Amino acid sequence: GNSVTQMEGPVTLSEEAFLTINCTYTATGYPSLFWYVQYPGEGLQLLLKATKADDKGSNKGFEATYRKETTSFHLEKGSVQVSDSAVYFCVRRGYQGGKLIFGQGTELSVKP
Amino acid sequence: DVKVTQSSRYLVKRTGEKVFLECVQDMDHENMFWYRQDPGLGLRLIYFSYDVKMKEKGDIPEGYSVSREKKERFSLILESASTNQTSMYLCASSFPGGGDDSPLHFGNGTRLTVT
Repeated sequence: GNSVTQMEGPVTLSEEAFLTINCTYTATGYPSLFWYVQYPGEGLQLLLKATKADDKGSNKGFEATYRKETTSFHLEKGSVQVSDSAVYFCVRRGYQGGKLIFGQGTELSVKP
Repeated sequence: DVKVTQSSRYLVKRTGEKVFLECVQDMDHENMFWYRQDPGLGLRLIYFSYDVKMKEKGDIPEGYSVSREKKERFSLILESASTNQTSMYLCASSFPGGGDDSPLHFGNGTRLTVT
């Protein structure tokens, strides 16, 4: 089917630790991929995107590379901060324009 | 900045009530969406609209309807609220076509509790 699977949370890290949140997708073809972030009490906002294979999206120190061989789009950050505490959603483009398919979300908690 | 405003942050309703959730965006976006967010399930699309008076079913439309009488406003209606509709509801909007240069902009959500 067409879905997005990401690692279960919550993920708890100490400040300055390395972060990886795994995400894999199933799809026919090569859909655009996104990471959205939801800070406490807020709506979701786009963090980064990649529109074709081998693209790397980056923003605010976060990176994710579109890997078609492994159908993955893992989110990484070299040194997390307390302010990165949020829920992160891996998302792929659906086949109807504008429609997005969301993973289940991974909650990240960063402790000082 | 794009602003998507949901009229209520928290709502408590009784089983069987008719419930209206309102969403307004100020960027002249053609596309508008209603999602519900539940722990462990991510966001699931309820309904979406690409234009005024136009609507299409998403993945979980049962028990819901929508109204798009004006471009800036997209309303979600629970005809007869049930306890399994207790959830966080998120409205979003984007430019037409939903291309990759037009991300979704979300409201802050309405947490609905049906008792």
